[in-house]
Amino acid sequence: SQQGEEDPQALSIQEGENATMNCSYKTSINNLQWYRQNSGRGLVHLILIRSNEREKHSGRLRVTLDTSKKSSSLLITASRAADTASYFCATTTHQAGTALIFGKGTTLSVSS
Amino acid sequence: SAVISQKPSRDICQRGTSLTIQCQVDSQVTMMFWYRQQPGQSLTLIATANQGSEATYESGFVIDKFPISRPNLTFSTLTVSNMSPEDSSIYLCSADVKGAVDTQYFGPGTRLTVL
Repeated sequence: SQQGEEDPQALSIQEGENATMNCSYKTSINNLQWYRQNSGRGLVHLILIRSNEREKHSGRLRVTLDTSKKSSSLLITASRAADTASYFCATTTHQAGTALIFGKGTTLSVSS
Repeated sequence: SAVISQKPSRDICQRGTSLTIQCQVDSQVTMMFWYRQQPGQSLTLIATANQGSEATYESGFVIDKFPISRPNLTFSTLTVSNMSPEDSSIYLCSADVKGAVDTQYFGPGTRLTVL
């Protein structure tokens, strides 16, 4: 079953611009993670934020979490053509253990 | 970090046949999982592969259709049985690796097309 919704479904920007993707989920979570997938290949783990954290940074990535709204956002700053990929949020819950429940994903296209 | 390999990387199969996908992890593993990604869609958890016992299936997935084995800690197989075109998807295995807290590693996926 799908835990969350992501918006936008697709995002097209120019190199150097910032990209913001949002994720909403339905149930209480242990943590929320963001993954990147290039062209239907395997997933790459980007960043994790725990339910008691509100913001986290990793390089050009910034993730926020609002548990009261059951939502998260991923900001990619100074985007590059190599950032072109699909981005998914995924949550873990107490009930499901470490199994991941994925959102629908955002397809990001960065043009040079 | 961990490297997860899957075989085959892709296959084209005829309706009614079965395909077994193998997943091998190069590190010590705690949990292993199988996911399906239908064309243009997100990932859906099929089951948790339990070592030495029956897999735990998610709603909508049954053992007769997707038998799973995990004979040891680092290896698992997923069989897609009696295939139909609706089974055309990417199948991915993943694993929680000892020492890598809160990071689940994914294999490259197996792209299955059923004719």
